[in-house]
Amino acid sequence: EDQVTQSPEALRLQEGESSSLNCSYTVSGLRGLFWYRQDPGKGPEFLFTLYSAGEEKEKERLKATLTKKESFLHITAPKPEDSATYLCAAHGSSNTGKLIFGQGTTLQVKP
Amino acid sequence: NAGVTQTPKFRVLKTGQSMTLLCAQDMNHEYMYWYRQDPGMGLRLIHYSVGEGTTAKGEVPDGYNVSRLKKQNFLLGLESAAPSQTSVYFCASSPRGGDTEAFFGQGTRLTVV
Repeated sequence: EDQVTQSPEALRLQEGESSSLNCSYTVSGLRGLFWYRQDPGKGPEFLFTLYSAGEEKEKERLKATLTKKESFLHITAPKPEDSATYLCAAHGSSNTGKLIFGQGTTLQVKP
Repeated sequence: NAGVTQTPKFRVLKTGQSMTLLCAQDMNHEYMYWYRQDPGMGLRLIHYSVGEGTTAKGEVPDGYNVSRLKKQNFLLGLESAAPSQTSVYFCASSPRGGDTEAFFGQGTRLTVV
């Protein structure tokens, strides 16, 4: 069964304290690994798509990487405005059109 | 540029009542999805559509029905609401399916008492 697991569930950082969020996936024939950001009371907002192991993508203080079993979202020198829930999702060849979501990591960055 | 719009944003239902949630997208996307989000459970797919006139079951379809009569609209119906359907519902759309990013609406917070 396809599965996506995120860790940790919650993460508290001081402003400027870099860290990483983990997304482990068990998906047959990965066709895409997605990262989303969700603010309270809002819908998820797309951040990145990764398609193959070794691929990396960056946006401001965020960098997403992909291996054959995991994806990491690295946050460099975070700011309070980076506080949000970060969702990971995977699309496999056996689930055409369907994304399997992890439970999310809630990040709080304190000034 | 509206993107994905959900109606209503909030609703309180009594057990046994029925209602329809409306999702509209203005991006000409083929695929549309309905998810529910519950604490500790993440986003779970209820139903989805790969094009106008098509629908398919997702992970948790029981108690829900959907229709996609027009490409831009995807309706989610609850025939007889139950307290277990208290949740936040999100609609999403994507151009070509699961290997392209999905765009989400702002959500509908539904409480069934």
